[in-house]
Amino acid sequence: NAGVTQTPKFQVLKTGQSMTLQCAQDMNHNSMYWYRQDPGMGLRLIYYSASEGTTDKGEVPNGYNVSRLNKREFSLRLESAAPSQTSVYFCASSTNRDRGPVARPAETQYFGPGTRLLVL
Amino acid sequence: GNSVTQMEGPVTLSEEAFLTINCTYTATGYPSLFWYVQYPGEGLQLLLKATKADDKGSNKGFEATYRKETTSFHLEKGSVQVSDSAVYFCALRIYSGAGSYQLTFGKGTKLSVIP
Repeated sequence: NAGVTQTPKFQVLKTGQSMTLQCAQDMNHNSMYWYRQDPGMGLRLIYYSASEGTTDKGEVPNGYNVSRLNKREFSLRLESAAPSQTSVYFCASSTNRDRGPVARPAETQYFGPGTRLLVL
Repeated sequence: GNSVTQMEGPVTLSEEAFLTINCTYTATGYPSLFWYVQYPGEGLQLLLKATKADDKGSNKGFEATYRKETTSFHLEKGSVQVSDSAVYFCALRIYSGAGSYQLTFGKGTKLSVIP
């Protein structure tokens, strides 16, 4: 049971290049998330996926796209990287809890080890 | 809106000292509160949580009590160890209806414990 895995661990891009950050979890979790961590800013939510087939914007979605490929995998794409996207990116996942007609993500999130991205 | 404010670091303590990291929050509803810890080079790990007022979360000697009257969730440990050196994040989570929710983290407090 590897938990949440992320690839690559480190990447250097030039401005305007594109890349996809990969995330996978083997805990059968329904919900997955992408955050970025910047010095003095804490973690900020970029996008999340409450269940397979759904995605929603978080606090800082501009410049990013996501794909929930299947229940296990949730990728983050930078179409045209900018220096402002230099950051450490974390993927996380959580189970869902059913309450009433709408299932919602459980409260404890499990984080991957992070991808350090440098955009020159 | 929702926000989390935690004391700025870095905090440097000697081994066996008492630790307090302050955390206060602003929320429009009834959030669950969390402390996450990030060890060097790693992702975040849940340290403890509390889901309603007056709940106390505890783990690995750390404690935090959900104080609704002061909107606080301060992290404490009676005797820190070198291995506790890490960045600590306070966070809140609130359900905003219709299947959506909000997650908000504080900026983090770096703790260094020296022998």
